[in-house]
Amino acid sequence: SAVISQKPSRDICQRGTSLTIQCQVDSQVTMMFWYRQQPGQSLTLIATANQGSEATYESGFVIDKFPISRPNLTFSTLTVSNMSPEDSSIYLCSVDTSVADTQYFGPGTRLTVL
Amino acid sequence: GENVEQHPSTLSVQEGDSAVIKCTYSDSASNYFPWYKQELGKRPQLIIDIRSNVGEKKDQRIAVTLNKTAKHFSLHITETQPEDSAVYFCAASSGGYQKVTFGIGTKLQVIP
Repeated sequence: SAVISQKPSRDICQRGTSLTIQCQVDSQVTMMFWYRQQPGQSLTLIATANQGSEATYESGFVIDKFPISRPNLTFSTLTVSNMSPEDSSIYLCSVDTSVADTQYFGPGTRLTVL
Repeated sequence: GENVEQHPSTLSVQEGDSAVIKCTYSDSASNYFPWYKQELGKRPQLIIDIRSNVGEKKDQRIAVTLNKTAKHFSLHITETQPEDSAVYFCAASSGGYQKVTFGIGTKLQVIP
């Protein structure tokens, strides 16, 4: 399995500001995914990030609110823009190892918006 | 798109008893079904998975069964232990870097 790290692990932000979350993998992966997990809820896919192309967003998520970068095969960022308290959640990246369709998750970023 | 339904949402069992969590999926193209365990404050961890060409898979106390015709799959945990207490998510995917759709999760409590 891949070793995945995320930064920051947690943050408390003011309404109206933006936060960029980084996801780093110890090996090259084709696909990276960004999820949101609200307290006590399941995992909701925000977007899929493929290196060298625009991210693909799920229904209800837009690029202006959640811009994503994927500059290489080991790194991606998710920005949560113009934050409101409703954006308070855990954001997780995951990677598809390409070995067996299996996705592995990063440790998550716990975001609180005041 | 794919829709995965999972039940029960909560499950309490006595230590040593078995626990069963059931899921159904809607997309007949789905062929990969992973199960994740998420302990409080931790990331989801893959515990077992099954592909559509297999009907059952076991790993020690954990087993997963798949009925492709009925589009349902189940997780079985035998001889439960307190450390099995967590939230379990089933999921479905059509593979090939396609997205994974998760169920709502089952909170399992194993009572010592």
